[in-house]
Amino acid sequence: DIQMTQSPSSLSASVGDRVTITCRASQSISIYLNWYQQKPGKAPKLLIYTASSLLSGVPSRFSGSGSGTDFTLTISSLQPEDFATYFCQQSYITPLAFGQGTKVEMK
Amino acid sequence: EVQLVESGGGVVRPGGSLRLSCAASGFTFDDYGMSWIRQVPGKGLEWVSGINWNGSNTGYVDRVKGRFTISRDNAKNSLYLEMNSLRVEDTALYYCARGGDCTSTSCYGISDHWGQGTLVTVSS
Repeated sequence: DIQMTQSPSSLSASVGDRVTITCRASQSISIYLNWYQQKPGKAPKLLIYTASSLLSGVPSRFSGSGSGTDFTLTISSLQPEDFATYFCQQSYITPLAFGQGTKVEMK
Repeated sequence: EVQLVESGGGVVRPGGSLRLSCAASGFTFDDYGMSWIRQVPGKGLEWVSGINWNGSNTGYVDRVKGRFTISRDNAKNSLYLEMNSLRVEDTALYYCARGGDCTSTSCYGISDHWGQGTLVTVSS
């Protein structure tokens, strides 16, 4: 099975900061990597699919990059509503594993 | 508006069974594959199972193979997860999600809409 490893597991940042979260797959998944945002008590929401495609309606401050085994989610200027937990997921092959999550907290 | 509403969760003893349901609306149900994804409260996400548009292909994570069965009824716009031989470690919030697909050998794809989940607690 493909393992997904996110880093860091948590980070503290301020409004306006640039935030970068990384996700590494244990083997190549081409560009089949998605990013989700989850707020407390809510279901995850899809932000980015196939590594870099922004879902319609998602603010352009979110971006994704990478291919193969190494991927990045970047928030260019953190907004108050962005404090949340972010998960990556490989959508290449069963089982469609998730990373363990990165909690973005207010500094 | 896409809506996915899960039901059927509850408290069950180890070794027991439950059947989860997901009622879909706001989209053409049989245009999409579907998935079940679970989350231990406060913890990470685990993809559990997927199914293609007509139910002919399914996939499971190894830890539930042989115990869980995913199915769908396109006439009722509904997705199901039959869970047998439940274990304490199956305790989680179970989400129904739209999207993805399965072939005879693998599932793949994107879950673009999720329900709010139904809680399954396995405890003696």
